[in-house]
Amino acid sequence: EAGVAQSPRYKIIEKRQSVAFWCNPISGHATLYWYQQILGQGPKLLIQFQNNGVVDDSQLPKDRFSAERLKGVDSTLKIQPAKLEDSAVYLCASTPLLGNTIYFGEGSWLTVV
Amino acid sequence: GQQVMQIPQYQHVQEGEDFTTYCNSSTTLSNIQWYKQRPGGHPVFLIQLVKSGEVKKQKRLTFQFGEAKKNSSLHITATQTTDVGTYFCADRGSNYKLTFGKGTLLTVNP
Repeated sequence: EAGVAQSPRYKIIEKRQSVAFWCNPISGHATLYWYQQILGQGPKLLIQFQNNGVVDDSQLPKDRFSAERLKGVDSTLKIQPAKLEDSAVYLCASTPLLGNTIYFGEGSWLTVV
Repeated sequence: GQQVMQIPQYQHVQEGEDFTTYCNSSTTLSNIQWYKQRPGGHPVFLIQLVKSGEVKKQKRLTFQFGEAKKNSSLHITATQTTDVGTYFCADRGSNYKLTFGKGTLLTVNP
């Protein structure tokens, strides 16, 4: 079974530039999550989708971050404009509807300089 | 929202020693999940605890859920170098939202 796919794996941008991350969850998984993990900390939920609807985006900085999952399958997370404090790993995860196990992708490592 | 505290933040042990990390909350936890993240890697699901007082074992790992469902622990017996990584607990709340603790970084000296 293929895992959660993310791209790009690494990105370095200057502050005020924009960046987009892509995630393809495991086939058939209804729920998709985007987490931000700053070095030395636990993952922080940014947004949770169920199919193409948003379940929770309470911690998403909506002035600069946006995410979509238009067809209920893959998803993109965009940051515009980026700040230095956005340097982190952006983890995508998915789970089947009512499933217990959450599967994480390898993550997209962002450095803002 | 739900806050999950984890202690200790770091733990360094000699290979063969035991290791325990604790997860605490001021409010009742829904379900507790435990994850392991190797250095440079992504979190990998280990187990979910649901019932008050539940105890589950996976080889050298023992997971417990407190009677009041406000705390949980992970105990590793006779650590090995392959156990190195950060162990996270996470509360699986309503709408299947997962709230992580800050994790315990385990290093093992061979």
